[in-house]
Amino acid sequence: QKEVEQNSGPLSVPEGAIASLNCTYSDRGSQSFFWYRQYSGKSPELIMFIYSNGDKEDGRFTAQLNKASQYVSLLIRDSQPSDSATYLCAVKEGTALIFGKGTTLSVSS
Amino acid sequence: SAVISQKPSRDICQRGTSLTIQCQVDSQVTMMFWYRQQPGQSLTLIATANQGSEATYESGFVIDKFPISRPNLTFSTLTVSNMSPEDSSIYLCSGQGDTQYFGPGTRLTVL
Repeated sequence: QKEVEQNSGPLSVPEGAIASLNCTYSDRGSQSFFWYRQYSGKSPELIMFIYSNGDKEDGRFTAQLNKASQYVSLLIRDSQPSDSATYLCAVKEGTALIFGKGTTLSVSS
Repeated sequence: SAVISQKPSRDICQRGTSLTIQCQVDSQVTMMFWYRQQPGQSLTLIATANQGSEATYESGFVIDKFPISRPNLTFSTLTVSNMSPEDSSIYLCSGQGDTQYFGPGTRLTVL
């Protein structure tokens, strides 16, 4: 059974700080990685995705891949209270996504 | 990005009954999936809905309990059959085009 592991948190950071979220995956052959944000009572929304060929930056968000250690990270710069949510890491296996349990981020003002 | 709608948004059902959830995508997608998210948990894939053929179920999920239809590229249904309180969960439809998007979910409570 392929697995995606995340620290459930909560991760607490002050407003304006950098939040660092990590996830590890078990399948060394995985090539597509996704970060979703889920507000309480809402469905997941895609933040960004990366492939095994490199990192990606989009505004305040940066996704990084460490293939050797099999982990993916999401950095959120200048964190805002509106970033407070659960962040789900997902890895593509075949045609579907396998999700981690999510990390809860709390940004205090 | 695809816009995905689901009906109903929530329902309260009695033990032993069945509920059919509908999922509509506003554009053609290559793949459609059904996930379950139990309280405080992450998303678990139930099955891949295949157009015009039987769905592909993940380990622990069976067709008799979760029959799925996908008559065309933009519509799918999931039925939760013979429900028990353990089926209380949020059921999410997902469509994959350039990437994977989720519907708003159906919150099911079984009494």
